[in-house]
Amino acid sequence: KNEVEQSPQNLTAQEGEFITINCSYSVGISALHWLQQHPGGGIVSLFMLSSGKKKHGRLIATINIQEKHSSLHITASHPRDSAVYICAVPRGGGGADGLTFGKGTHLIIQP
Amino acid sequence: DAGVIQSPRHEVTEMGQEVTLRCKPISGHNSLFWYRQTMMRGLELLIYFNNNVPIDDSGMPEDRFSAKMPNASFSTLKIQPSEPRDSAVYFCASMPGLGPQHFGDGTRLSIL
Repeated sequence: KNEVEQSPQNLTAQEGEFITINCSYSVGISALHWLQQHPGGGIVSLFMLSSGKKKHGRLIATINIQEKHSSLHITASHPRDSAVYICAVPRGGGGADGLTFGKGTHLIIQP
Repeated sequence: DAGVIQSPRHEVTEMGQEVTLRCKPISGHNSLFWYRQTMMRGLELLIYFNNNVPIDDSGMPEDRFSAKMPNASFSTLKIQPSEPRDSAVYFCASMPGLGPQHFGDGTRLSIL
């Protein structure tokens, strides 16, 4: 079973700052997921990546398969980015598996 | 695309009652997942189906929990009898092939 560690657990930053959230996992995987959850809200998939880097607007996700590590970056952070960011990997490593989740990073961006 | 539809959005019931949560996946998605989220344990996989067949139910906490997927457009998660420790947010998600998972808005369950 895959184990997922995220850091930091909590992060408070000022608007405009560059944000980095880290994720490491224990078992080789086909792809890693980054999810976003607003307070009291649903879960949105931000990225699914298996190698290299993906970018969507101000969000960038990178993964190093050899080191079993991924990072989520937010450039020019904004208060609306305040949310919980969750890293997840397939439980058994395969693509169609259910997910194992990190504990999440609670991000607050202050104006 | 309507997204994954879960019902009810909120459920409050008394201990011992039967609870049924419902999920309609996105059309064409062949995998369906049930997850539970609590403050203490975070998000956990309960069970998932591929092409309507249960593949892994090792996350189902006890025999009180059961899940079915009678066809490609409908799944239920049932708790009987319910207990206060079952209080949580239950999410359903569906996935097309090997693509990203799409989550429903969740059912917030409170067992008194």
